[in-house]
Amino acid sequence: RKEVEQDPGPFNVPEGATVAFNCTYSNSASQSFFWYRQDCRKEPKLLMSVYSSGNEDGRFTAQLNRASQYISLLIRDSKLSDSATYLCVVNGNQFYFGTGTSLTVIP
Amino acid sequence: DVKVTQSSRYLVKRTGEKVFLECVQDMDHENMFWYRQDPGLGLRLIYFSYDVKMKEKGDIPEGYSVSREKKERFSLILESASTNQTSMYLCASSLGPDRAQETQYFGPGTRLLVL
Repeated sequence: RKEVEQDPGPFNVPEGATVAFNCTYSNSASQSFFWYRQDCRKEPKLLMSVYSSGNEDGRFTAQLNRASQYISLLIRDSKLSDSATYLCVVNGNQFYFGTGTSLTVIP
Repeated sequence: DVKVTQSSRYLVKRTGEKVFLECVQDMDHENMFWYRQDPGLGLRLIYFSYDVKMKEKGDIPEGYSVSREKKERFSLILESASTNQTSMYLCASSLGPDRAQETQYFGPGTRLLVL
């Protein structure tokens, strides 16, 4: 079983839409959680950490559900520039990356 | 701003060649990592290092070795390149010592093609 699982998508949404991604993890002892963004042929970059109480950064909201072992990312009012692959990252004794969810925002 | 650089963006090598991939970070980070990224498999950890001259195996160390002689530099070595090592190689660093909570900063990646 993979440590981290994501729906690969692709998600194609119109500008202004709200879109949500989920990610499940297998190790209940995992300690920290992140969402990274990766543009085409570029390196991953941290989008936001995910805290137990949930956290928001502008149009982006991240939530953690430890009981069900999943994290989520909500993007409101999607922009064209949000088009990218979003990687779920879970850290226990090492970082585990999901395979990514592809998002394309359409004009 | 953290900067992680990798020696090459693109490399083409032949089967059996010895390949060196270099990574340098300029922020005095303690931790450094090498991943490979393949379609459908995501990022997989090859080796990591938490200190100079220290190395630990990740999930897929076979066919690779590493060297960390200086804090800022972490090298990945393919002793005898094979076609199944064709991939995107990503180096990352993080500050230390709280490994569980820290952001990893990635280099731009090296696309390696082994013929």
